Amino acid sequence: GQNIDQPTEMTATEGAIVQINCTYQTSGFNGLFWYQQHAGEAPTFLSYNVLDGLEEKGRFSSFLSRSKGYSYLLLKELQMKDSASYLCAVPSGGSYIPTFGRGTSLIVHP
Amino acid sequence: DGGITQSPKYLFRKEGQNVTLSCEQNLNHDAMYWYRQDPGQGLRLIYYSQIVNDFQKGDIAEGYSVSREKKESFPLTVTSAQKNPTAFYLCASSPRTSGGTDTQYFGPGTRLTVL
Repeated sequence: GQNIDQPTEMTATEGAIVQINCTYQTSGFNGLFWYQQHAGEAPTFLSYNVLDGLEEKGRFSSFLSRSKGYSYLLLKELQMKDSASYLCAVPSGGSYIPTFGRGTSLIVHP
Repeated sequence: DGGITQSPKYLFRKEGQNVTLSCEQNLNHDAMYWYRQDPGQGLRLIYYSQIVNDFQKGDIAEGYSVSREKKESFPLTVTSAQKNPTAFYLCASSPRTSGGTDTQYFGPGTRLTVL
């Protein structure tokens, strides 16, 4: 089975740093994805973690701890355009197809 | 430009009518997927296909049907048997490289409203 938990909504100020957490339970682990989705648009790929640790890509970083079933997405120097939903997705054991969490709606205000 | 297209972006239908949503990709990807998204919900898998002429049910296949006659195309039919068809429908594809998980690329989505 699969269980993915993310906060429903977060707010932050332009220029600040925000951390979006994701916890998961899976019978096998094939990596963890983060996607960004603006309202009414398609999700776009942000990151994929399969090993423990932090991966940095510009203003966005993603962290994974397999032993804790935990990941976070770190957004630095927030911009208004970062207001979006952030989806955590984990393939269940034996499958390559990810199951998606409900997403975290991030609101960035001036 | 390579990508995934879905048409139309908005679709309205009367209750009891079947409707087919289009999905085309020119990325030469082997695998294609259909998801449904409802407000406050994650993406839920309806059907997926790993190769031409083969497809598998996802978590919520009831009331839907698909075909995969060509590698580039994976249309989804929402039948009258689907109890709550109003939703945002997303199509995706992935290359299915050997050795496990690969990244999905999504189309722009079709918002279906059944009146």
